[in-house]
Amino acid sequence: DTGVSQDPRHKITKRGQNVTFRCDPISEHNRLYWYRQTLGQGPEFLTYFQNEAQLEKSRLLSDRFSAERPKGSFSTLEIQRTEQGDSAMYLCASSSGSSGVNEQFFGPGTRLTVL
Amino acid sequence: AQSVTQPDIHITVSEGASLELRCNYSYGATPYLFWYVQSPGQGLQLLLKYFSGDTLVQGIKGFEAEFKRSQSSFNLRKPSVHWSDAAEYFCAVINQGGKLIFGQGTELSVKP
Repeated sequence: DTGVSQDPRHKITKRGQNVTFRCDPISEHNRLYWYRQTLGQGPEFLTYFQNEAQLEKSRLLSDRFSAERPKGSFSTLEIQRTEQGDSAMYLCASSSGSSGVNEQFFGPGTRLTVL
Repeated sequence: AQSVTQPDIHITVSEGASLELRCNYSYGATPYLFWYVQSPGQGLQLLLKYFSGDTLVQGIKGFEAEFKRSQSSFNLRKPSVHWSDAAEYFCAVINQGGKLIFGQGTELSVKP
């Protein structure tokens, strides 16, 4: 078990470009979460999956954001037409069980800088 | 609304001194509470959690936290701080859907 991994660790892009991040959860964890963390703030929930189904999306997740977990394993988070306000750390976490009230294991995050 | 408040944005303690980080929560049902630590450039690591039972919970790295329902608090403590404890600490509550709601965080600096 190698823990939750995220790729890339850092991404610098120009405003208006599209970016995609990948998260590989702990194997056999059926729940996968995305959070966003801006400087000086705690992480904020974006969305989560149980297996391949996306069960909840935050109002923070505008139409420019889309997340997938096609086979219930890894997940991708895409941001279209990036804006400077999208600059943040994007964190992925995974957990086991169906109730949701279990420990979430976090990856190292992807730091996005939009110029 | 569910929320977590960490009143102290930044705390500085001397190495070897005791530490207490404050956390207050607002949650309608029985809360499930967590403390995470984040070192620079790193993800979040779970220090400890409270689900039920004994209100004093022990965690990793010598940390403990006490759940006080009457005060809606879940303060984190350590009797003797080490320089390696310098990091950012987050208190969080989890809702029934599994969404973690974090506080703003407390940055801990340790003086030699």
